[in-house]
Amino acid sequence: AQSVTQPDIHITVSEGASLELRCNYSYGATPYLFWYVQSPGQGLQLLLKYFSGDTLVQGIKGFEAEFKRSQSSFNLRKPSVHWSDAAEYFCAVGGYTGFQKLVFGTGTRLLVSP
Amino acid sequence: EAGVVQSPRYKIIEKKQPVAFWCNPISGHNTLYWYRQNLGQGPELLIRYENEEAVDDSQLPKDRFSAERLKGVDSTLKIQPAELGDSAVYLCASSLEAGEGNNEQFFGPGTRLTVL
Repeated sequence: AQSVTQPDIHITVSEGASLELRCNYSYGATPYLFWYVQSPGQGLQLLLKYFSGDTLVQGIKGFEAEFKRSQSSFNLRKPSVHWSDAAEYFCAVGGYTGFQKLVFGTGTRLLVSP
Repeated sequence: EAGVVQSPRYKIIEKKQPVAFWCNPISGHNTLYWYRQNLGQGPELLIRYENEEAVDDSQLPKDRFSAERLKGVDSTLKIQPAELGDSAVYLCASSLEAGEGNNEQFFGPGTRLTVL
């Protein structure tokens, strides 16, 4: 069965600084990988996804993530954080059926300081 | 285009009481999901519908939870009776159809349940 580990419960970044959120997955085959963002009182919004091909994927709001098979990682990055990026971020892995069966990590809460 | 609609947004009940959550998916979306999100955790799938058929309910605690999706559109998730441990956010999501590939799940804002 697939699983996801997000080792950082919360991270604080200064506005304008770069960001990297870590995600490690466990799955026996090539996974489908996702990053979602959840703002307070809001549903989850898809930031980006990896299915195949280029291992560096671009998403919305200036986010990108890199799939590294050798490290079983799919870390999320942003070169310059804005105060509006403060939210909870979830990494998720899907099996061979893609979106059909998502397993989420426990999330990383991003705090942005002035 | 309207997103996934859920109601109520908040619900406070006493233990042993029944409670129901309602979800209206995005128009035209055949697949509907119910998730439970405990505090400090990621969402966990409870049940998935393809049209009106529940095709994956392996994580649904069937002794007290039930769900239905009449006519393959709106869905209701019920808990009877509620227990303290049921306090969580219940999320509904929908997608065009399940299956391989690019069938993004769109999430509603959730219903926050507090059981006292």
